[in-house]
Amino acid sequence: QKEVEQDPGPLSVPEGAIVSLNCTYSNSAFQYFMWYRQYSRKGPELLMYTYSSGNKEDGRFTAQVDKSSKYISLFIRDSQPSDSATYLCATKGTGANNLFFGTGTRLTVIP
Amino acid sequence: GAVVSQHPSRVICKSGTSVKIECRSLDFQATTMFWYRQFPKQSLMLMATSNEGSKATYEQGVEKDKFLINHASLTLSTLTVTSAHPEDSSFYICSAARLAGHYLGHEQYFGPGTRLTVT
Repeated sequence: QKEVEQDPGPLSVPEGAIVSLNCTYSNSAFQYFMWYRQYSRKGPELLMYTYSSGNKEDGRFTAQVDKSSKYISLFIRDSQPSDSATYLCATKGTGANNLFFGTGTRLTVIP
Repeated sequence: GAVVSQHPSRVICKSGTSVKIECRSLDFQATTMFWYRQFPKQSLMLMATSNEGSKATYEQGVEKDKFLINHASLTLSTLTVTSAHPEDSSFYICSAARLAGHYLGHEQYFGPGTRLTVT
């Protein structure tokens, strides 16, 4: 079983739509949860991170973690064409540097 | 701050030759650097973890004699793909870890990647 599972998509939405991206993970020891955005032929950039369960909001982006179900979500409100990218979820345990990535979901926001 | 560069961005080489990829943290010192590879439409796969001044730790299934990693300084790590074959063609991405100053601990900053094509 992979440490992190993510639907690869692709996902296409019209501009202004609410986007929901999701991952599941298997190891209950994971405590840190990250979302990275990767544009084509570029390295990933950290978008948001959360610790343990709960929500975190940053502008149009909301990250949500439910540790009871081992479920990670990223919501994008009022999506823009510039949001078109691949979004990767990642997790790690306490004191660890190694990240476990999902496969990434390719998102296209259509103007 | 926290910029990581990689060189070259693209390289095409013939089968059997060796290719060196450099990863530099430009404005911070990174005690740990990571090397990943990414196949099309797949996630990043950790190849090895590199600590300055010590031997790299390779993930299971990664040949250490084929993928030579050197971490000579706190700002530079190199990955050499030796005797490259077409199946080594991939997108290689490095990251450098820096103490984030918050509960995330060390935060990884990724380079822009190097696309290797072996013909």
